[in-house]
Amino acid sequence: SQTIHQWPATLVQPVGSPLSLECTVEGTSNPNLYWYRQAAGRGLQLLFYSVGIGQISSEVPQNLSASRPQDRQFILSSKKLLLSDSGFYLCAWSWGQGYDEQFFGPGTRLTVL
Amino acid sequence: AQSVSQHNHHVILSEAASLELGCNYSYGGTVNLFWYVQYPGQHLQLLLKYFSGDPLVKGIKGFEAEFIKSKFSFNLRKPSVQWSDTAEYFCAARGGGSQGNLIFGKGTKLSVKP
Repeated sequence: SQTIHQWPATLVQPVGSPLSLECTVEGTSNPNLYWYRQAAGRGLQLLFYSVGIGQISSEVPQNLSASRPQDRQFILSSKKLLLSDSGFYLCAWSWGQGYDEQFFGPGTRLTVL
Repeated sequence: AQSVSQHNHHVILSEAASLELGCNYSYGGTVNLFWYVQYPGQHLQLLLKYFSGDPLVKGIKGFEAEFIKSKFSFNLRKPSVQWSDTAEYFCAARGGGSQGNLIFGKGTKLSVKP
């Protein structure tokens, strides 16, 4: 069976510090991978998605970037965090971009002070 | 622009009450529709989905949703809620075909009083 992991579960960082959140998927190969940000009362906002190694599409311009160095690894990064980067970050995977549901990880709660 | 609207931010019900959560979408052409649920402290998980065929879709835990094309709606229903249904519910949509990404509504928090 497939599982998706995210770490860390919670993170508190000062403004201006770098960020690296990691997501890994087990039990499948060549998944589509997604990063979302969930803000209270605002639903889920798609930040990045990837259909393969090194292939990243950005949905919104922002202070964040994503990378996919391995087939089942997806990393969300920032060089300098802003207060507005605080939020709950979810990673998800799907079999493909067609008619498939997405499976979500447990999320990372990021607080920027 | 494509969008998904959920009408209720927070719904409070007593156990055994009936539930209907509204969801409207704006998409041209075919659309795939989903309801996800996030129980407290748990992962977001799929409740049900509609791709084609019978517009009344049954999901897990006694939930169902009806796709009404003329109203651009996909409301979630359950005839009798339980305390364990307390969660946040998200409607999502994607344009039919292979290239669309999911667009989520803002979510509806459901609190069920025992």
